[in-house]
Amino acid sequence: DAGVTQSPTHLIKTRGQHVTLRCSPISGHKSVSWYQQVLGQGPQFIFQYYEKEERGRGNFPDRFSARQFPNYSSELNVNALLLGDSALYLCASSLDHRERFGELFFGEGSRLTVL
Amino acid sequence: AQSVTQLGSHVSVSEGALVLLRCNYSSSVPPYLFWYVQYPNQGLQLLLKYTTGATLVKGINGFEAEFKKSETSFHLTKPSAHMSDAAEYFCAVTLNSGYSTLTFGKGTMLLVSP
Repeated sequence: DAGVTQSPTHLIKTRGQHVTLRCSPISGHKSVSWYQQVLGQGPQFIFQYYEKEERGRGNFPDRFSARQFPNYSSELNVNALLLGDSALYLCASSLDHRERFGELFFGEGSRLTVL
Repeated sequence: AQSVTQLGSHVSVSEGALVLLRCNYSSSVPPYLFWYVQYPNQGLQLLLKYTTGATLVKGINGFEAEFKKSETSFHLTKPSAHMSDAAEYFCAVTLNSGYSTLTFGKGTMLLVSP
């Protein structure tokens, strides 16, 4: 079975541009979470979606937005990119939106470099 | 609110030696605790988790961790390191009530030498 897939795997943008990152969860998983991992740090929670509704939002500016589609895939959008947005963006899926009850399955991430 | 502190950004051991990665947590309610491993250029993989019940938790690849409430700790151990254990390890916590997402520590890079 396919795991969590993310695209693109690497991308380079310049300051002020916009980026869209995509994620396909494991088949049957209805919850998708997005995390930002800056070099040398642990992943930091950005969003969680379950059944196409936003269930949680981390401490990120409004430049960050996301959505989940009827097939449970998800997009993360970041507007007006800043140098500090350079990071590995991880998508994780799970059966249950209550993370304490389930296991998060992570994709390999999309590495964004902002110049 | 909850937080995790991992002592030591890098830990070096020899192959065959004991692995000990330290994690202390802060939580206002009973926590659920996790250890994830990240190999180079890969996503995170769950090693083990503590929810309720037995405080000694066994995970994959011979790792185990013990939840010590009195010490607010959840240290990860493995009796004998293998070269393939070289990776970055993250401790994470979530709350045992209501809605809560995972809060990760900064990670500990495990280096294994021959």
